[in-house]
Parts: sequence; structure tokens; C-alpha cells
Amino acid sequence: NAGVMQNPRHLVRRRGQEARLRCSPMKGHSHVYWYRQLPEEGLKFMVYLQKENIIDESGMPKERFSAEFPKEGPSILRIQQVVRGDSAAYFCASSPRLAGLDNEQFFGPGTRLTVL
Amino acid sequence: DQQVKQNSPSLSVQEGRISILNCDYTNSMFDYFLWYKKYPAEGPTFLISISSIKDKNEDGRFTVFLNKSAKHLSLHIVPSQPGDSAVYFCAASDGRDDKIIFGKGTRLHILP
Repeated sequence: NAGVMQNPRHLVRRRGQEARLRCSPMKGHSHVYWYRQLPEEGLKFMVYLQKENIIDESGMPKERFSAEFPKEGPSILRIQQVVRGDSAAYFCASSPRLAGLDNEQFFGPGTRLTVL
Repeated sequence: DQQVKQNSPSLSVQEGRISILNCDYTNSMFDYFLWYKKYPAEGPTFLISISSIKDKNEDGRFTVFLNKSAKHLSLHIVPSQPGDSAVYFCAASDGRDDKIIFGKGTRLHILP
């Protein structure tokens, strides 16, 4: 049973370009979360999605960032017109969200974005 | 505003001894707490959790203690092993949604 998969593992972009980060949740998991880790910082929540729905995007920057989790295919975190401050590790996590149970989130290996 | 605080950026412990990692939180609505372990260039992996209805949860060498009145939890690792060297993140959620709030992490070094 494959774990959470993220690709690419490393992404280099120049200022002004677009970055697309992909996340495939664990099999049977319908809930996806994106987190960002800046250097020397903890993970900061960005967005929580279910299939075709954004449940909570309170951690997403208001501009340039968007996320989707389509009916088919991976979840995508999209950053338009990247700036140097976007350089960070972006982690995706998934959970089965079984009702009534505390359930931990399983993390992917992350995508390290470097903006030149 | 840091709702989950890990005040020790790093900790060094002799192999075989007990490692104690501390965590404080400010939000009294948090009711579920987790510890994650992270190696370089990998994603965090879940270690152990505790619900606010308990004050202790044990899993092998790992024990988490929760003191709700002090808004404090700690992770005990005994005996510490070289493979325990990693960054440990304390995290919490308030049960209304699945959003997890992470601390900044503590880097644990196990010395030979």
C-alpha cells in the first residue's frame, strides 16, 4: 500500500514563473491537507480539501496560491508568479477521516521549491 | 501568534538515557495532541497521540504525558537510541476540523 506521494520532490523556478505541486493521497483517503515549512519553522497549515471541495483555506495566502482536488487525479497546489519568499518545503498529508475517530494525518515526502 | 510552542530548538541526550521533549499550548480548545518525527528530506511521520480525556499514553519506548491545567505536554523516549535522532514536532487540533497546528520542532541528538 503506497503512502502519500508527492511530485516533484524538488522544483526550481525563476521569479514570475508558475509552480505546480502534485499530491496523491494514500489509497482510500479522501481528505488532503497542504502544509508549508519555511526554514527553521514548523509546518504551517495552508488548505484542507476533499474531492472537488475546498473545506478550509484559511492558511492560504490571498493571492497567487490556489489548490484543487479533482474527482480524478492528484491534488494540485498551484503558485502563480512565484517570488523568492515562496521558497519552502511543501508537504501534503492525507487522512481517511473516519467519522467519530481521532485520526492522524499521513504525510508525503514533500516538494522542496526553490525560487531563483 | 504561536499556539503550540516548543521552546527548546535542540536537545542532546546520551544513548540509553531518557529523552524528554516539552511542548506548551495556548488554545484551551485543543483536545487532541500528536507528536511527529521528521528525518531530513522526508515528510513527518506520526509517532504517538493523546486525547484530552487522558493524561498519559504509552507505546513501546514512547510515552506522552498531558497536563491540561498547565497546557503542557511532554514526550518521553526511553531508552534513547541512535535512530531517534531527528526533529520532533508537537501538534494539536481542536476537533472542529482536521487542521493541525504544529510547533517549530525540537532537534534531538542522541550521543553515542
